[in-house]
Amino acid sequence: KAGVTQTPRYLIKTRGQQVTLSCSPISGHRSVSWYQQTPGQGLQFLFEYFSETQRNKGNFPGRFSGRQFSNSRSEMNVSTLELGDSALYLCASSLTGGYSDTQYFGPGTRLTVL
Amino acid sequence: AQKITQTQPGMFVQEKEAVTLDCTYDTSDQSYGLFWYKQPSSGEMIFLIYQGSYDEQNATEGRYSLNFQKARKSANLVISASQLGDSAMYFCAMRESGNTGKLIFGQGTTLQVKP
Repeated sequence: KAGVTQTPRYLIKTRGQQVTLSCSPISGHRSVSWYQQTPGQGLQFLFEYFSETQRNKGNFPGRFSGRQFSNSRSEMNVSTLELGDSALYLCASSLTGGYSDTQYFGPGTRLTVL
Repeated sequence: AQKITQTQPGMFVQEKEAVTLDCTYDTSDQSYGLFWYKQPSSGEMIFLIYQGSYDEQNATEGRYSLNFQKARKSANLVISASQLGDSAMYFCAMRESGNTGKLIFGQGTTLQVKP
């Protein structure tokens, strides 16, 4: 079974631009979560989607948004990029997102904002 | 509020020896899951082991075992017979039953295995 895939793997953008990251979950997984990882803040939860609905959300500004398609693939969008948005963005999928459900992570997208 | 604490920023271990990575957690929920992940320098998070709050036995997965002490709210990872490939960052994480899809992570422990 193929793992979680994320595209692109690397991105360089300038301040004020917007960016879209893509995530394809493991086949059969319906829950997709997104995380931001920075050296200063560590790993922080952005949001979770299940059956095309945002079911849970972290404490990030509205510039961070996402969506999920009927095939469970998910996209994350960041508008009006700031220097502080430079980070590794990780996508993870699981069957249901329940507390005992293991999340499997993709390789991440490394975003650099100049 | 839910919180994960990893107090060891960096650890060294000799190849073939065992090592314990500490993790304490805080939650008011009765139903929760505890996870350990490994992150090599490549960046990908690799799932290692899971322990549920109602599990009475410690979880084991190959060379990994979890020392779960519920009353102390600790979930330490034990790696037996360390290998050079175990050198990586290790994260302890928790998910509560009311927080679907959301893992709370500790700050991580960098493990270096010496030949």
